[in-house]
Amino acid sequence: KNEVEQSPQNLTAQEGEFITINCSYSVGISALHWLQQHPGGGIVSLFMLSSGKKKHGRLIATINIQEKHSSLHITASHPRDSAVYICAVSSGGGADGLTFGKGTHLIIQP
Amino acid sequence: DTGVSQDPRHKITKRGQNVTFRCDPISEHNRLYWYRQTLGQGPEFLTYFQNEAQLEKSRLLSDRFSAERPKGSFSTLEIQRTEQGDSAMYLCASSLGLYNEQFFGPGTRLTVL
Repeated sequence: KNEVEQSPQNLTAQEGEFITINCSYSVGISALHWLQQHPGGGIVSLFMLSSGKKKHGRLIATINIQEKHSSLHITASHPRDSAVYICAVSSGGGADGLTFGKGTHLIIQP
Repeated sequence: DTGVSQDPRHKITKRGQNVTFRCDPISEHNRLYWYRQTLGQGPEFLTYFQNEAQLEKSRLLSDRFSAERPKGSFSTLEIQRTEQGDSAMYLCASSLGLYNEQFFGPGTRLTVL
């Protein structure tokens, strides 16, 4: 079973700061997902990646397959970025139910 | 709205009662997933379907849990003889094929008294 660890668990920062959230996993994967969850439960998929780097607006996700590590970066953070960010992996091989980390609770203060 | 929908959004029940949740995926998506999330934790995989076939079940899915997707469209998740430990958010997601992005519904929050 794949284990997914995220750090930090909680992060409070000031508006405008550069944010980094880290994710590591224990065994090989077919893809890694970064998800955003707002209070009330709704989950939105931010990125799905299996190599390299992806960028969408102020969000950047990177993955290092050899080191089994991924990072999510937020540039010019804003209070509306406050949410729980969850890393999840799919192990593939026909079993593609996601394995999730516990999430990083991010608060951006104005 | 053409996203994933779930019904009901909230369910309060007494211990021992049966409950059933429904998920309507994005219409062209052939894969449908059920997850459970308890407070302060990340979601945990329960089961998934490809079309009407249930292809994988987590060991979290005890005998009291059953899921169906009879026509390969909507799915139901039933919990029999609910226990307080079943209190959680039940999330549904769908995707188009293997290795594609999963789109999540808003969840059904279950409270067992």
